[in-house]
Amino acid sequence: NAGVTQTPKFQVLKTGQSMTLQCAQDMNHNSMYWYRQDPGMGLRLIYYSASEGTTDKGEVPNGYNVSRLNKREFSLRLESAAPSQTSVYFCASSYRARDQETQYFGPGTRLLVL
Amino acid sequence: AQSVAQPEDQVNVAEGNPLTVKCTYSVSGNPYLFWYVQYPNRGLQFLLKYITGDNLVKGSYGFEAEFNKSQTSFHLKKPSALVSDSALYFCAVTTDRGSTLGRLYFGRGTQLTVWP
Repeated sequence: NAGVTQTPKFQVLKTGQSMTLQCAQDMNHNSMYWYRQDPGMGLRLIYYSASEGTTDKGEVPNGYNVSRLNKREFSLRLESAAPSQTSVYFCASSYRARDQETQYFGPGTRLLVL
Repeated sequence: AQSVAQPEDQVNVAEGNPLTVKCTYSVSGNPYLFWYVQYPNRGLQFLLKYITGDNLVKGSYGFEAEFNKSQTSFHLKKPSALVSDSALYFCAVTTDRGSTLGRLYFGRGTQLTVWP
């Protein structure tokens, strides 16, 4: 099992450009999450999908959209990138969106917006 | 609101010595607590979690953590540190109260450096 995979690993964008970050999991998990990691701030939740067909906003959703394409895949889209979106983005998944469930993380996508 | 505090940005310890990485939390409802480790340029790896039961939780790589409800703490410990333990450690909390749907609240992270 590959676990949680993310593409691309690294991306440089110019302000105003758009891009989609891809995430896939092969653990048959129902719930998926997108976080961003900024220095000294820990991880903050952008969006999550409790189950296929549902998505909800997290702590910092502005400037992002998501699509739960199927049970395996959950993408994050930046429609018009801004320098404030320079960050490391992590996708995670869990069996269910429940308090006791362990979330498993992908390797991350490093995004630089110039 | 739920929150996690990791009061130390950095912890330095000599190899072979015991290590402690501190975490305190604030939640409404029952807390469920997690520790994750992040090696350079890697994703977060799950170490251990406290859900209920025994306050001392044992996890991967010889780590353990003690849940203390009265002090709202969940400190990560290891009896004998290894140089390979050097990494960034995150404490996270969620709760059974409200509509969080498993949302994790992370601390800012503690950089552990183990010196040979």
